[in-house]
Amino acid sequence: GENVEQHPSTLSVQEGDSAVIKCTYSDSASNYFPWYKQELGKRPQLIIDIRSNVGEKKDQRIAVTLNKTAKHFSLHITETQPEDSAVYFCAASDGIGNQFYFGTGTSLTVIP
Amino acid sequence: SQTIHQWPATLVQPVGSPLSLECTVEGTSNPNLYWYRQAAGRGLQLLFYSIGIGQISSEVPQNLSASRPQDRQFILSSKKLLLSDSGFYLCAWRGSGANVLTFGAGSRLTVL
Repeated sequence: GENVEQHPSTLSVQEGDSAVIKCTYSDSASNYFPWYKQELGKRPQLIIDIRSNVGEKKDQRIAVTLNKTAKHFSLHITETQPEDSAVYFCAASDGIGNQFYFGTGTSLTVIP
Repeated sequence: SQTIHQWPATLVQPVGSPLSLECTVEGTSNPNLYWYRQAAGRGLQLLFYSIGIGQISSEVPQNLSASRPQDRQFILSSKKLLLSDSGFYLCAWRGSGANVLTFGAGSRLTVL
């Protein structure tokens, strides 16, 4: 099955700086890559996603890039704010869309 | 609009006792349904997924089982809980033909 690796496991940035989280996947059949944000004790919530026919997608301060050849994708958060502090998960879904495989998460702390 | 309900929200169970977590989805039909487990400070582990009534796929052999007695109902069970079953259990759904995976609020299980 699919194997998704995520780095770093923890990340601390100063408020206003950028944060980058990287993920790799193993199954070339994966074609959908969402990113989730999970605040403490809460459910993961989708923040942005990208499909394999697109190389980059942006939504305000959040952007995701995908390199299908290298099988990696990244989350970029610019102008970070304290409310961005949370655990972020990347995921990959197979072509059928039945299974979602998640990375191990990145705990982001934005220091005011 | 579609909503997902999951209960109970928290429970404390002794080792060897049975378990039943329930998840229902409203406002859609024939959803894909998923059970994930999140150990403390860890990532999201896919336990089971279902593409239809009575159709269950297991990702990890373990002490748990799942059932889908109705189209929008997904149940996670155990006959005898182990200490290692403690964790945060998340139900999720995906609409047929869609990619987005949406999580329920989660059930926090502590086995003592």
